[in-house]
Amino acid sequence: AQKVTQAQTEISVVEKEDVTLDCVYETRDTTYYLFWYKQPPSGELVFLIRRNSFDEQNEISGRYSWNFQKSTSSFNFTITASQVVDSAVYFCALRSSYGQNFVFGPGTRLSVLP
Amino acid sequence: NAGVTQTPKFRVLKTGQSMTLLCAQDMNHEYMYWYRQDPGMGLRLIHYSVGEGTTAKGEVPDGYNVSRLKKQNFLLGLESAAPSQTSVYFCASSSRTSGSLQRPEQFFGPGTRLTVL
Repeated sequence: AQKVTQAQTEISVVEKEDVTLDCVYETRDTTYYLFWYKQPPSGELVFLIRRNSFDEQNEISGRYSWNFQKSTSSFNFTITASQVVDSAVYFCALRSSYGQNFVFGPGTRLSVLP
Repeated sequence: NAGVTQTPKFRVLKTGQSMTLLCAQDMNHEYMYWYRQDPGMGLRLIHYSVGEGTTAKGEVPDGYNVSRLKKQNFLLGLESAAPSQTSVYFCASSSRTSGSLQRPEQFFGPGTRLTVL
């Protein structure tokens, strides 16, 4: 069975602090995809990044970076110099390369205080 | 491209009333999904479809029915609404995975906020 765990239910930081959101997954599939989505207070779900299980290269996009480690089944998300606009619920998700099912983690609510 | 659209955006029902939520996607995706999200909670899969004319139950299907008569549309019906169905409903779509898929992620609609009194 597939599972995604986001152990941090809520995190509060002060603006300009760095923060890492953890994501640990379980799957028996040899090939799969991992994703991060952002849900700001306005409610929509915003896609942030995808990662193929073949590709363990870390990715940086502005203040955002993602660390994928197959050896520990983790796909962590770091926000550098956080801003109030980063306040949102962040979901990590997993999809097998074969099939239609997506498994979402429970989400981490990030509050960035001014 | 509009992506995934949902109609309506808001709706208030009385207990026992029925309604249909409409989801439409213009990306020619094979797969479509309906989720519900309760306050402070994550996403729970209600029903999904792997193609036109086919539907399947998800994690929380009771009280809901779905239909996919056209590839681009996925309808979610509530036959007799209950207060426990007060929630935000999200529709999503995705491509079938095969070969070197460029975009395997789900694309979400903006959500429908439903209140059942």
